[in-house]
Amino acid sequence: QVQLVESGGGVVQPGGSLRLSCAASGFTFSSYGMYWVRQSPDKGLEWVGVVSYDGSNRYYADSVKGRFTISRDNSKNTLSLQMDSLRVEDTAIYYCARIRTALATGDAFDIWGQGTLVTVSS
Amino acid sequence: DIQMTQSPSTLSAYVGDRVTITCRASQSISNSLAWYQQRPGKAPKLLIYRASSLETAVPSRFSGSGSGTEFTLAISSLQPDDFTTYYCQQYKTYPWTFGQGTRVEIK
Repeated sequence: QVQLVESGGGVVQPGGSLRLSCAASGFTFSSYGMYWVRQSPDKGLEWVGVVSYDGSNRYYADSVKGRFTISRDNSKNTLSLQMDSLRVEDTAIYYCARIRTALATGDAFDIWGQGTLVTVSS
Repeated sequence: DIQMTQSPSTLSAYVGDRVTITCRASQSISNSLAWYQQRPGKAPKLLIYRASSLETAVPSRFSGSGSGTEFTLAISSLQPDDFTTYYCQQYKTYPWTFGQGTRVEIK
């Protein structure tokens, strides 16, 4: 079935780095833009960024721009989020998500991963 | 950024009640709006896309309406499973943004 599974969360000190992965299965991964969304009690649901279906375009929230990098490997059906210079306020559950329509740039999220917890604390 | 404002933040109702949740956008988003349901410890689940289109396998007691800046999610007859949290989200313009959530609780 269509599925996204995140991994890589954990505890990291402020200023540290962490890399999250999202394994996709059950659909043609290379046809869909892929997204990262995070959720914390303080800020609620927050869009982090997107990589286009072919990896040619990326957009980020201002809060993570210059610190986070989204990439994808269509040969391995894998999405990644490299997080550098982490701050306490980056503490959240991180979800990868797919939008409904292949090759589209704007649509609702129909498939979400289970989420992985990132805690930034000294 | 487009701000999404949901009201109310909390809603108390009985099983069988009809309830509505409102979401207002700070500028026009046409019909680029989705509604999600989220249970504790789980990822959000898509209910409505394009403001009024029901996602596959979502019960017909859920409906969405609106366009431009004002949108509504209605639940026609609340079931025990429906007492949880709901979010709106705009996907018109990056950064996509979410409302702060509405918790539906049992009266």
